[in-house]
Amino acid sequence: SQTIHQWPATLVQPVGSPLSLECTVEGTSNPNLYWYRQAAGRGLQLLFYSVGIGQISSEVPQNLSASRPQDRQFILSSKKLLLSDSGFYLCAWNPSGQGHSPLHFGNGTRLTVT
Amino acid sequence: GQNIDQPTEMTATEGAIVQINCTYQTSGFNGLFWYQQHAGEAPTFLSYNVLDGLEEKGRFSSFLSRSKGYSYLLLKELQMKDSASYLCAVVDSNYQLIWGAGTKLIIKP
Repeated sequence: SQTIHQWPATLVQPVGSPLSLECTVEGTSNPNLYWYRQAAGRGLQLLFYSVGIGQISSEVPQNLSASRPQDRQFILSSKKLLLSDSGFYLCAWNPSGQGHSPLHFGNGTRLTVT
Repeated sequence: GQNIDQPTEMTATEGAIVQINCTYQTSGFNGLFWYQQHAGEAPTFLSYNVLDGLEEKGRFSSFLSRSKGYSYLLLKELQMKDSASYLCAVVDSNYQLIWGAGTKLIIKP
């Protein structure tokens, strides 16, 4: 069966520090991969999605970046965090070419920038 | 622009029935999802509707009217564990997911 792993679960980082969040999927090949952010009491905001290795689409201009170095690995990074980067970060996947398939989410990373 | 509207918060009593509405205005339509999200956790998939009508899955049912741009999630025999946020999301013509802000459901004994 397919599983998705996301870490760390919680993170407290000072303003200006770098960030690296990692997500891996098991049990499937060539998944669509997504990074979302959810601010407190708000809906999900799509940050990046990827349909294949090295293919990244950015939805929102900001100081975050994403990479997909391997088929089932998706990394969210920042060189210098801002206070506004605080939030709940969620990695998700669904099968390639099936836009109607439900997203399967990782457990999320609670990021607090201080 | 694209827009999904849901009530911000609803309160219901344990054992009762509650209906959570979702209205949408999107560029095209390729289906509608409902997700459940407990506080501090990731969303989990509840239902998917692409054709008009009611889809029943145990205590949960989801209804869709494409002509009205409207869906609802019906929860029966409410249990305390149903206290959560319920997210409506629409797949647009580009197969992008447009998310509502979610409805926080509070269940009282």
